[in-house]
Amino acid sequence: GAGVSQTPSNKVTEKGKYVELRCDPISGHTALYWYRQSLGQGPEFLIYFQGTGAADDSGLPNDRFFAVRPEGSVSTLKIQRTERGDSAVYLCASNNPGEREQFFGPGTRLTVL
Amino acid sequence: DQQVKQNSPSLSVQEGRISILNCDYTNSMFDYFLWYKKYPAEGPTFLISISSIKDKNEDGRFTVFLNKSAKHLSLHIVPSQPGDSAVYFCAALIQGAQKLVFGQGTRLTINP
Repeated sequence: GAGVSQTPSNKVTEKGKYVELRCDPISGHTALYWYRQSLGQGPEFLIYFQGTGAADDSGLPNDRFFAVRPEGSVSTLKIQRTERGDSAVYLCASNNPGEREQFFGPGTRLTVL
Repeated sequence: DQQVKQNSPSLSVQEGRISILNCDYTNSMFDYFLWYKKYPAEGPTFLISISSIKDKNEDGRFTVFLNKSAKHLSLHIVPSQPGDSAVYFCAALIQGAQKLVFGQGTRLTINP
């Protein structure tokens, strides 16, 4: 009966490096979402998966950001050539079709030095 | 272009009194609204929601009011308790779309 889990909880990297952030949704949830929350702001939508496919990636800020969900469960958010402006808390959420409420994980705090 | 706005960054209320958190929106296509509560180092937790076909929804100490003509909603917490101290986010959904659009959040502090 676990909720959404995200690893790592904290990630510190240097500018220009590549990072991967992982999300494990609630078991059985077919929809998975990634959001980014900068300091003092609300979460901002990045991408939404229904099953294995990205149904809406309109929130990805540029082509350095990419996400996959190959088996329709765990998802990985990948950021190439990280920049200091990528520093934020990356939140993952999941739900089932027909549910309007989304259930969030604790987030990964990414710091780019 | 901030479609969902929470104009009060912070609010301080005495324990036992009513807390009222406000949220305004600009997009008339929003048809569902949610309130989330967030503690430090945790993800947002769903609190209460309301469909645009209603003007009020109540769940225990929490009530959400929706004024569509004013594009305004509010969350009432009564009586306020110390455990209610958190950041509260208003969020909205467009019919048929899945992405939540969040406000900036209001930090609520309940004083003993």
